Amino acid sequence: QKEVEQNSGPLSVPEGAIASLNCTYSDRGSQSFFWYRQYSGKSPELIMFIYSNGDKEDGRFTAQLNKASQYVSLLIRDSQPSDSATYLCAVNGGGATNKLIFGTGTLLAVQP
Amino acid sequence: SAVISQKPSRDICQRGTSLTIQCQVDSQVTMMFWYRQQPGQSLTLIATANQGSEATYESGFVIDKFPISRPNLTFSTLTVSNMSPEDSSIYLCSVERGYEQYFGPGTRLTVT
Repeated sequence: QKEVEQNSGPLSVPEGAIASLNCTYSDRGSQSFFWYRQYSGKSPELIMFIYSNGDKEDGRFTAQLNKASQYVSLLIRDSQPSDSATYLCAVNGGGATNKLIFGTGTLLAVQP
Repeated sequence: SAVISQKPSRDICQRGTSLTIQCQVDSQVTMMFWYRQQPGQSLTLIATANQGSEATYESGFVIDKFPISRPNLTFSTLTVSNMSPEDSSIYLCSVERGYEQYFGPGTRLTVT
């Protein structure tokens, strides 16, 4: 059973701080990794994806991937109250259908 | 990205009845996916719908309960059959563009 693990939180950070969200996965064959943001009552919104070891930056967001340790993280710099949401980590297990396996999500609360 | 619409956005249904959810995307896609998100939980893949072939169902989901149609490259339907209160959930379709998956707004189903 392929698994994706996240701390459910809530992770509380003050406005302007760096929020660090972590995710581990069980399948070493996983090839690409995604972070989604989900506001309460809304559908998931893709923030970033990463498939190579190292860092990938997009604005205030940085995704970090370490395949040897089987973890992927998301850093949010200069956190804003509008970043308060559940962040879902998803892993593409490969194969013909490219289906995603989702973690349970981490609830982030940015305190003004 | 992709512009995806779903109908209905929400519905309240009686047990034993069926509901068909529609998913429309703004341009042609090969793969469409149907997910379920139960209250307070993460996303679980129900099935993958590839145009011109039978849908591929995940463990725990069967065609008799969740029949899927995929008549063309921009449209799919998911039917939730013989509903029970345990089927109360948000149902989401998603489409694949390159490496990325994008989600529709979801259908919130309540079964009484």
